[in-house]
Amino acid sequence: GEDVEQSLFLSVREGDSSVINCTYTDSSSTYLYWYKQEPGAGLQLLTYIFSNMDMKQDQRLTVLLNKKDKHLSLRIADTQTGDSAIYFCAERRDSNDYKLSFGAGTTVTVRA
Amino acid sequence: DTGVSQNPRHKITKRGQNVTFRCDPISEHNRLYWYRQTLGQGPEFLTYFQNEAQLEKSRLLSDRFSAERPKGSFSTLEIQRTEQGDSAMYLCASTDLNEKLFFGSGTQLSVL
Repeated sequence: GEDVEQSLFLSVREGDSSVINCTYTDSSSTYLYWYKQEPGAGLQLLTYIFSNMDMKQDQRLTVLLNKKDKHLSLRIADTQTGDSAIYFCAERRDSNDYKLSFGAGTTVTVRA
Repeated sequence: DTGVSQNPRHKITKRGQNVTFRCDPISEHNRLYWYRQTLGQGPEFLTYFQNEAQLEKSRLLSDRFSAERPKGSFSTLEIQRTEQGDSAMYLCASTDLNEKLFFGSGTQLSVL
């Protein structure tokens, strides 16, 4: 099974905020990432957060990290139809290595 | 185009045949990773290179799989005697050892 866990589906109305949640396994993970994947495509890096941070904001994206609970979330403000995709959470456990462990992905559907 | 490039985008083969995929990383990125992604799952680590040296291989990488990066630039992933269970998206990624890992669009393999 997956070490990183995510809810599988999220449906959101256009213009609303989306919140995608993730729990990871290793309290010593150094960086946590969010990737976006559209159908038939590779993974697009959206944002990442260093483990000593609580929050990171980048335009419409806000990442929140609760290290105590090993919980990560991605908030997308003003969700658009182009945000429909699969979103993957990933943890990087070793600061000397760039091997990432991914969750199974959350499919976000934006409805008009 | 300065992104990670993978060829071919799609490969259909018959069981028992050999296939080879190519990855061209972002120029001057010294680390190159191979991942495999099956339907409904997140990517799983297969192997990685630091320049031309293959530093780690996952237990997912059976003896039928071999990867090379002969000059420390592009890499190839070969699967011998393909099986239906090898059907997946094979993703390549590269990094220059900052915080970011960039993925290519992948090669979708279908074994009939």
